[in-house]
Amino acid sequence: GQQLNQSPQSMFIQEGEDVSMNCTSSSIFNTWLWYKQEPGEGPVLLIALYKAGELTSNGRLTAQFGITRKDSFLNISASIPSDVGIYFCAGSSGGYQKVTFGTGTKLQVIP
Amino acid sequence: GAGVSQSPSNKVTEKGKDVELRCDPISGHTALYWYRQSLGQGLEFLIYFQGNSAPDKSGLPSDRFSAERTGGSVSTLTIQRTQQEDSAVYLCASSPGTNTDTQYFGPGTRLTVL
Repeated sequence: GQQLNQSPQSMFIQEGEDVSMNCTSSSIFNTWLWYKQEPGEGPVLLIALYKAGELTSNGRLTAQFGITRKDSFLNISASIPSDVGIYFCAGSSGGYQKVTFGTGTKLQVIP
Repeated sequence: GAGVSQSPSNKVTEKGKDVELRCDPISGHTALYWYRQSLGQGLEFLIYFQGNSAPDKSGLPSDRFSAERTGGSVSTLTIQRTQQEDSAVYLCASSPGTNTDTQYFGPGTRLTVL
C-alpha cells in the first residue's frame, strides 16, 4: 500500500525561526494536505494542494506540491509559541479515495 | 456551525469488555472515516463510509472491530473483547463527499483498556 515518510520526526526551535518539514511518498498522489493537531484535539486542515508544482500560502504557512507528485513540503515562517503541535501530511488519489496520513512532525517552539 | 462531535471523550474499560464509540458528523457530509491514533503515532485508517456504498473496511485490524453508520449520519465503532493494545485515541472525520480529501475531524475518544 501507499506509504508516507514524514521528516523530521520532531523539532525544537527558537521563537522567530523559520521551520521546514517534508513528506515523501512511494507512489503518486493527486492531492496533498497538511494538518495540525494540538493536544487533546483532532487534526485541523491547514493547506490543501491539488496541482503538481502548486505553491500555496496560508498566513505564515507555505506548502508546495512536488513536481513528481510524490512529495510535498511545509514551511512556517517566523514561528510563534502557538505553532506548537504535531503537523501531519496526507495524500490521496482524489475522488472517493481514502487519504493516507504521514507519521507527523512534532514541533516545539522555545520562547 | 456544529463540527464533528464524538462521545464519550474518554473511556476506561477492562480487558475483555465491549465498547461503543459514537461519531456525529457534520450535517450533510456524506463521507465518514474512523482512524486510530496510538500514543505519539500517526493516524491509522480503520474504515470509510461514503453515502450508500459498501464501506471500505480494509483498515480494521481484526474481526473484533466493526462499525456501522445509520441513516447516512451517525456512526458507531464497536470493539469487542477489548485488549490492552486497543488503547488509543479513536478519531472520526467527515467530509462533504464531493471532495473527500478535505476531512473535518472530531476531538477523538481516548480509550484506555486496563
